[in-house]
Amino acid sequence: DADVTQTPRNRITKTGKRIMLECSQTKGHDRMYWYRQDPGLGLRLIYYSFDVKDINKGEISDGYSVSRQAQAKFSLSLESAIPNQTALYFCATSDRSGGETQYFGPGTRLLVL
Amino acid sequence: SQKIEQNSEALNIQEGKTATLTCNYTNYSPAYLQWYRQDPGRGPVFLLLIRENEKEKRKERLKVTFDTTLKQSLFHITASQPADSATYLCALEGGSNYQLIWGAGTKLIIKP
Repeated sequence: DADVTQTPRNRITKTGKRIMLECSQTKGHDRMYWYRQDPGLGLRLIYYSFDVKDINKGEISDGYSVSRQAQAKFSLSLESAIPNQTALYFCATSDRSGGETQYFGPGTRLLVL
Repeated sequence: SQKIEQNSEALNIQEGKTATLTCNYTNYSPAYLQWYRQDPGRGPVFLLLIRENEKEKRKERLKVTFDTTLKQSLFHITASQPADSATYLCALEGGSNYQLIWGAGTKLIIKP
């Protein structure tokens, strides 16, 4: 969805490197999310934010950190990447009045060597 | 343990037939359940939401049912077309702060 953009789309990095994934949205939504998707597993929530001052850990937050720079921007950092963080990462947004329907970005494919 | 199950095997359906996908869950009492479509290399796209007090929801060729006693949702695509080929994900409200819990998805292949 063009309303939710993610950069980069693909990234290869080495173990121990710091990496940041960025997400921007033009939908005007308050809520933003970071998920990872692995083959055979459902989307797993890493972090979520209900507004700029409200950030919460999800199911699998260890090894990750986030920053909500503005209502429209939510970035995910891997402070010291490890191979098992190789996955497809998605950013999503939702509107509090929308019954939690979520709108996803195109994803970032990350490979940690 | 809490979990959501979708058929992990791909579902092959002949064009024009009805495709039926299943989503089963345990140990949740969701207020609603959602279905999404995901194409290769793309993010999931919302299709339908059904609430706990609704038995059935329709949108064009799509129909979703929700049985809270059986803890099951069925997703139907009638008059299926090759363009319907994708992976379909179910998600239910079940985490803390009403977050969505996701199934792994079922890959649907519609053959011409």
